[in-house]
Amino acid sequence: EAGVAQSPRYKIIEKRQSVAFWCNPISGHATLYWYQQILGQGPKLLIQFQNNGVVDDSQLPKDRFSAERLKGVDSTLKIQPAKLEDSAVYLCASSLGAQTSRDTQYFGPGTRLTVL
Amino acid sequence: AQSVSQHNHHVILSEAASLELGCNYSYGGTVNLFWYVQYPGQHLQLLLKYFSGDPLVKGIKGFEAEFIKSKFSFNLRKPSVQWSDTAEYFCAVMGNDYKLSFGAGTTVTVRA
Repeated sequence: EAGVAQSPRYKIIEKRQSVAFWCNPISGHATLYWYQQILGQGPKLLIQFQNNGVVDDSQLPKDRFSAERLKGVDSTLKIQPAKLEDSAVYLCASSLGAQTSRDTQYFGPGTRLTVL
Repeated sequence: AQSVSQHNHHVILSEAASLELGCNYSYGGTVNLFWYVQYPGQHLQLLLKYFSGDPLVKGIKGFEAEFIKSKFSFNLRKPSVQWSDTAEYFCAVMGNDYKLSFGAGTTVTVRA
């Protein structure tokens, strides 16, 4: 079974530039998550989708971050404009069931973003 | 909202030593508890989980964890570590909102 795919794996940009990350979840997984992991910290949930609808985006800095999951499959996370404090690993995860399930979340390899 | 505290930032052990990683959480309701592991260069993956029932849960690769409700703890243990257990370990809690909250992680280095 193919895992969660993410691209790019690494990205270096200057502050005030924009950047986008892509995620392809495990086939058939209804729920998709984006996490931000700052160095020395655990992953922090940014946004959660069930199919193509947003379930929770309470921790997403909406003035600069946006995300979408068109057709309920792939998802993109965008930052515009980037700040120095956005330097982190951005993890995508997916799970089989609905948002209110305890299904295991499967994580992708992450995208390491460096903002200079 | 729930929060998770992992006591050790970095643990260094020799092979065959026993390992115990501390995890405490704060949450007033029913919790589901997890340990995730990230081996060097690999994805974050589930090691074990507790939902209900026997508070001593066994996971992959010889790991186990014990849920002690009165202490709000879910410590991870392995009787005898191997060099391949070198990794970063994350404790996580899920409350009634079905959202995972992670601790800061513990880096475990096993010396051959």
